[in-house]
Amino acid sequence: DVKVTQSSRYLVKRTGEKVFLECVQDMDHENMFWYRQDPGLGLRLIYFSYDVKMKEKGDIPEGYSVSREKKERFSLILESASTNQTSMYLCASSLTVPSTDTQYFGPGTRLTVL
Amino acid sequence: AQSVAQPEDQVNVAEGNPLTVKCTYSVSGNPYLFWYVQYPNRGLQFLLKYITGDNLVKGSYGFEAEFNKSQTSFHLKKPSALVSDSALYFCAVRAFGNEKLTFGTGTRLTIIP
Repeated sequence: DVKVTQSSRYLVKRTGEKVFLECVQDMDHENMFWYRQDPGLGLRLIYFSYDVKMKEKGDIPEGYSVSREKKERFSLILESASTNQTSMYLCASSLTVPSTDTQYFGPGTRLTVL
Repeated sequence: AQSVAQPEDQVNVAEGNPLTVKCTYSVSGNPYLFWYVQYPNRGLQFLLKYITGDNLVKGSYGFEAEFNKSQTSFHLKKPSALVSDSALYFCAVRAFGNEKLTFGTGTRLTIIP
């Protein structure tokens, strides 16, 4: 089974702090994704990466950056956290690029910014 | 552009009755369609997907979905609902050649004992 893990289930940070969310997958997948989930808005793509050191902006990249130094690890960085970044953050991975490929999700990190 | 609509925020079904969660999509070209389920405080779990071939797709936990090209729909169904099916369900679409997956806003399914 594919396993995608996220470093924290719950996180509370203060406005202006730098926040790191970590995601690790153990199935040698090429692609990794970061989404945020908000009630009534579904999932929205923040960034994705199809290879080590490669990244692409998703639909809502503002206020976020990412890092992929190793194939299995994809980090989401909030440079200066703000209250409107309070959300559930979901990491996903998929084997390759083709449109037919399934994304597998981690358990999520619920981030609260005070 | 690609988009997904889940017209019902909430669906209530009595235990043992058939259930349907609706999804319609819009893409240019061939669509690839997915259903995911999210249990409380959990990530999304993959249920099933339509790529090509038979319009009726069978997935996990007894769920199935029917692809209807003329109505641009991909409704999720189950013949007999269980209380444990209560969860948040997401439909998603990806167009051929597009690496991004677009999700609907989700439908909360509640099965009433």
